[in-house]
Amino acid sequence: ETGVTQTPRHLVMGMTNKKSLKCEQHLGHNAMYWYKQSAKKPLELMFVYNFKEQTENNSVPSRFSPECPNSSHLFLHLHTLQPEDSALYLCASSQPPGWTDKVTQYFGPGTRLLVL
Amino acid sequence: GQQLNQSPQSMFIQEGEDVSMNCTSSSIFNTWLWYKQEPGEGPVLLIALYKAGELTSNGRLTAQFGITRKDSFLNISASIPSDVGIYFCAGQKETSGSRLTFGEGTQLTVNP
Repeated sequence: ETGVTQTPRHLVMGMTNKKSLKCEQHLGHNAMYWYKQSAKKPLELMFVYNFKEQTENNSVPSRFSPECPNSSHLFLHLHTLQPEDSALYLCASSQPPGWTDKVTQYFGPGTRLLVL
Repeated sequence: GQQLNQSPQSMFIQEGEDVSMNCTSSSIFNTWLWYKQEPGEGPVLLIALYKAGELTSNGRLTAQFGITRKDSFLNISASIPSDVGIYFCAGQKETSGSRLTFGEGTQLTVNP
């Protein structure tokens, strides 16, 4: 498998559920990202990981909990979400800044999340 | 955060026509990226630009990194129905690490 993969592709959950989104990249990158994409709004950066360490949390509510066990895998753990959290959640990867001067992000297909 | 001004917001064209869209900013960028996103999918990288003045083609797509480093444009020649989608520009600043600033997208509709 190549590129960036995400599972599941679609998820429906209740506000009291706990679920996790998974992202895997096969590009040999060392930086990974979570984005939220809501209708009619630009992409919102949520978290950045460089070499498994979180380097950016863009004021994301604690009901979203990321985990990066290694440079190839990224998870987003979801707990007690709200209906307004329904969106397309995108994972991306790149080489980290300083590693290369060509920091190009490649996106996965996304997980379409619906919170009821 | 800061956004890029991407225009037009939407375009309705006939198959075979050429298309042009652009992104502008008051800030200087080191990298310009153009992505295409289809419904239910993630953005797919079309063209990456790393140098001011750079003109790069990918099939029927051509993009340029503006000389001032504050703008970029994307042209699509001889459009076909499968060009339908949302096209996003994204810029990366030297001072922002790997963080990208995104435009709001151009929705392209191609009528056969």
